[in-house]
Amino acid sequence: KAGVTQTPRYLIKTRGQQVTLSCSPISGHRSVSWYQQTPGQGLQFLFEYFSETQRNKGNFPGRFSGRQFSNSRSEMNVSTLELGDSALYLCASSTTQDVHGETQYFGPGTRLLVL
Amino acid sequence: EDQVTQSPEALRLQEGESSSLNCSYTVSGLRGLFWYRQDPGKGPEFLFTLYSAGEEKEKERLKATLTKKESFLHITAPKPEDSATYLCAVPGGNTPLVFGKGTRLSVIA
Repeated sequence: KAGVTQTPRYLIKTRGQQVTLSCSPISGHRSVSWYQQTPGQGLQFLFEYFSETQRNKGNFPGRFSGRQFSNSRSEMNVSTLELGDSALYLCASSTTQDVHGETQYFGPGTRLLVL
Repeated sequence: EDQVTQSPEALRLQEGESSSLNCSYTVSGLRGLFWYRQDPGKGPEFLFTLYSAGEEKEKERLKATLTKKESFLHITAPKPEDSATYLCAVPGGNTPLVFGKGTRLSVIA
């Protein structure tokens, strides 16, 4: 079974631009979560989707948004990029979002560099 | 507030030198404790889930244990290929996983 895939793998943008990252979960997984990883803060939760609905959102500004499609694929968007948005963005999928405690499987991440 | 603390931050071992990594957590109602391995530039790779105090799980040279307040990842006779960052995480109230900052392990041949 194919794992979680993320595109693109690497991205370079300039301040003020916007970016869209894509995530395809493991086949049959309906829950997708996004995390931002930086050397200083570690892995921080961005948002969580299940059946096209955002179930939870982390403590990030409104410039960060996401959505999930009917096939469970998900996208996240960051508008008006800032230097501090440079990070590894990770997507994870699990079978269900009924109860937290399911194993999350991570993709390889998208490395975003903002200049 | 849900919190996960890992120690040490970094650990350097000689090949064959066994040691343990620590993960302490504060969460209301534990619904599992997860260990992941992360290689540089890659996503975390799932290793173990522990659900109750006293539970142990093993995989090759790794053994994870769980108490009511902390978990240990024991590494027996490590090899250079065990070098990675090891992450510990617990489900939060409003988040799928709350992660610790990780332990960066280097195993020297």
